[in-house]
Amino acid sequence: EAQVTQNPRYLITVTGKKLTVTCSQNMNHEYMSWYRQDPGLGLRQIYYSMNVEVTDKGDVPEGYKVSRKEKRNFPLILESPSPNQTSLYFCASSKTSRHSSYNEQFFGPGTRLTVL
Amino acid sequence: AQTVTQSQPEMSVQEAETVTLSCTYDTSESDYYLFWYKQPPSRQMILVIRQEAYKQQNATENRFSVNFQKAAKSFSLKISDSQLGDAAMYFCAYLTQGGSEKLVFGKGTKLTVNP
Repeated sequence: EAQVTQNPRYLITVTGKKLTVTCSQNMNHEYMSWYRQDPGLGLRQIYYSMNVEVTDKGDVPEGYKVSRKEKRNFPLILESPSPNQTSLYFCASSKTSRHSSYNEQFFGPGTRLTVL
Repeated sequence: AQTVTQSQPEMSVQEAETVTLSCTYDTSESDYYLFWYKQPPSRQMILVIRQEAYKQQNATENRFSVNFQKAAKSFSLKISDSQLGDAAMYFCAYLTQGGSEKLVFGKGTKLTVNP
């Protein structure tokens, strides 16, 4: 089954304790992205990757890191989480427009993160 | 930068009735895609319908249809014969092309369906 998986689905942590949220897709997609969703703000892009070893900042990258060492994985790293990073996080993947004129983004199930 | 505006934070509709959710956007591009996503309480993002900007014909998917007005930069979603399962947050989104492939989302409209 074609899918995007995220782990963990729920996480409660404390300020300053490094954490990683994993994202994996099995569709051989070049493009992967992280979004955060906050009430009243919709979804905002944190980081994205157009292919292996190619990453770039989105609209709200402060406090986050990413890596793309393999095509299927795109982990989101919070080196020193703070309470303002409490949010719902989504990973998404798609082909790039270089390969297709229409690129539906497939979303993972979301990760609910609480930073105390 | 592109922006997407959903002016209705909440809407309600009676079961079996029709409801229209509004969305406007701002862009200088001529070629782009627009989407409506549904987010039920499970939080999963579900693609409802999409529209290519170069197509004049409005997209339809069963009970869901859009009214796409390119000159006015308007992209509303009409849900006909509303069902209880339609209750969810609905997000309008704009897809940039050829660059960051970024989806720009509106803030969402919470739809309640009354039995």
